[in-house]
Amino acid sequence: DTEVTQTPKHLVMGMTNKKSLKCEQHMGHRAMYWYKQKAKKPPELMFVYSYEKLSINESVPSRFSPECPNSSLLNLHLHALQPEDSALYLCASNFELAGDYEQYFGPGTRLTVT
Amino acid sequence: AQKITQTQPGMFVQEKEAVTLDCTYDTSDPSYGLFWYKQPSSGEMIFLIYQGSYDQQNATEGRYSLNFQKARKSANLVISASQLGDSAMYFCAMRLIHGSSNTGKLIFGQGTTLQVKP
Repeated sequence: DTEVTQTPKHLVMGMTNKKSLKCEQHMGHRAMYWYKQKAKKPPELMFVYSYEKLSINESVPSRFSPECPNSSLLNLHLHALQPEDSALYLCASNFELAGDYEQYFGPGTRLTVT
Repeated sequence: AQKITQTQPGMFVQEKEAVTLDCTYDTSDPSYGLFWYKQPSSGEMIFLIYQGSYDQQNATEGRYSLNFQKARKSANLVISASQLGDSAMYFCAMRLIHGSSNTGKLIFGQGTTLQVKP
């Protein structure tokens, strides 16, 4: 199984809502990532987990809250988002952070904040 | 500063012809990795090819090859025999070591949109 899955595929939420994005992999990867991508722009790194611990937070606003309950699962909790947070949210994983391992990406969640 | 530059916002190529997508990078680290990803309109990022800074040979993966010129700090992607399904956005990326945590992360170029004409 060489797949990263993400749910939901699409999400529309109001600025007062609370929602969560989910990412799952069963490749035994120990590093997992959240990226935000605006249209026709490169992905921007948000968070990195290594061995289920938060390793990198790229100064992301607190309305985004990551969680890694186990080595296969990564969540991104959303609360009080702004319209400018509308984007494609990509999850990725790789074997581990040290060394040049390709990142496997999920299909993304297209988020619209109204 | 560590940086990846893709200077071609858009490229056209005729089906069955070869095309080169440019990528230059800047880093003072002696050890780094360079990656190319393809992103179709569906959104998923697909890994294509990898080149390590110490690799002596240029990387190849099927129709993809990486023209690595270390002295020029360039890592251009060559796609041979283009197919309609190659139409997508292509990103060059470099692995960096992140500060005190010594963890690797990718930085991406701005991307090149490739359109293959029938």
